[in-house]
Amino acid sequence: DAGVIQSPRHEVTEMGQEVTLRCKPISGHNSLFWYRQTMMRGLELLIYFNNNVPIDDSGMPEDRFSAKMPNASFSTLKIQPSEPRDSAVYFCATSTSGRAGDEQFFGPGTRLTVL
Amino acid sequence: KQEVTQIPAALSVPEGENLVLNCSFTDSAIYNLQWFRQDPGKGLTSLLLIQSSQREQTSGRLNASLDKSSGRSTLYIAASQPGDSATYLCAAGGNQGGKLIFGQGTELSVKP
Repeated sequence: DAGVIQSPRHEVTEMGQEVTLRCKPISGHNSLFWYRQTMMRGLELLIYFNNNVPIDDSGMPEDRFSAKMPNASFSTLKIQPSEPRDSAVYFCATSTSGRAGDEQFFGPGTRLTVL
Repeated sequence: KQEVTQIPAALSVPEGENLVLNCSFTDSAIYNLQWFRQDPGKGLTSLLLIQSSQREQTSGRLNASLDKSSGRSTLYIAASQPGDSATYLCAAGGNQGGKLIFGQGTELSVKP
């Protein structure tokens, strides 16, 4: 299995631009998680989906952030408009069912820099 | 609200030493405790997963223990090697659909 796939791996954009991050989960995994990692705050959960349905988006920092999972093999995290404080590494992770106790597998991350 | 703490934040040891990384959590009602390794500029690699009903898990030179009552987990690395140098993160899984709360990590450096 290819594991969790994220694209792009690096993104540099200017403040005010729209940014779209993409994630392809491991085949057969029904839960998908978006995390953000910064030096100051560490790893934080932004939102997670179970069977393509958003379950908990309480970690989404502002309305500028939105996430979708149109089907079982694809998810996007969009920031519009982007700001310099959004600079971070964004990780996508998946698990088989999203039940408490399931192991999560992480993608390589997207390093976002907003100038 | 669950909080996860890892001490120390950084650790440097000579090659060959056995070492212990510590992780504590405030809410003992966890479903699992997962240990990850992160190399600089890379993603997270799952090392060990301990379910709440278990006391420990082992994989090669790694052994992780869990004591829910005291809110602690430890990761024991035997005969450390320079290739073990990385940041080690622990994460507590609660009852909210697999949601993980992460510690800040321990940055380990193993000197040849």
